[in-house]
Amino acid sequence: AQSVTQPDIHITVSEGASLELRCNYSYGATPYLFWYVQSPGQGLQLLLKYFSGDTLVQGIKGFEAEFKRSQSSFNLRKPSVHWSDAAEYFCAVGASTNAGKSTFGDGTTLTVKP
Amino acid sequence: SQTIHQWPATLVQPVGSPLSLECTVEGTSNPNLYWYRQAAGRGLQLLFYSVGIGQISSEVPQNLSASRPQDRQFILSSKKLLLSDSGFYLCAWETGSSPPLHFGNGTRLTVT
Repeated sequence: AQSVTQPDIHITVSEGASLELRCNYSYGATPYLFWYVQSPGQGLQLLLKYFSGDTLVQGIKGFEAEFKRSQSSFNLRKPSVHWSDAAEYFCAVGASTNAGKSTFGDGTTLTVKP
Repeated sequence: SQTIHQWPATLVQPVGSPLSLECTVEGTSNPNLYWYRQAAGRGLQLLFYSVGIGQISSEVPQNLSASRPQDRQFILSSKKLLLSDSGFYLCAWETGSSPPLHFGNGTRLTVT
């Protein structure tokens, strides 16, 4: 069975600082990986996805993520955080491009200090 | 353009009352449709998905049911709500060959 672990429940960074959110997955075959962002009381918005090819993927809002098969990781990064990035972030792993049947992590809440 | 509508945004219902949450998608045809529940501090739990009219798959046994009476309409229902049904319910859609997953804004359900 597939699973996703987001080790950090809550992260606080200063505005302008760099950010890395961790995601580890367990899946027996080639995974399809996603990062979503959720603002309070809202639905989720896709930041980026990895299906194949270049292991460094670029997403919206200046985010990027790197797929590392040897570490079963798909960490999300941003060089300089903005106050508007404060939200909850979810990593998900799926068996196919059928994104709706992905398994989601429990999320990481990001707080941005001024 | 494609949009997804989910309503109501918030709902407070007594235990034992019925439930009907509705989700509609515009601007696409034959989408895959999904209902999720999100508990506080947790990720999303897939409840139901549908690949076509009248085709419903349930992921977890529970007090809820889903129906898809039209191509772009997905309804989550319950005959008698339990306290444990409280949560944040999200509807989402995708086309089978073209992710990503698009989410509605959710319904906050409180069962009292």
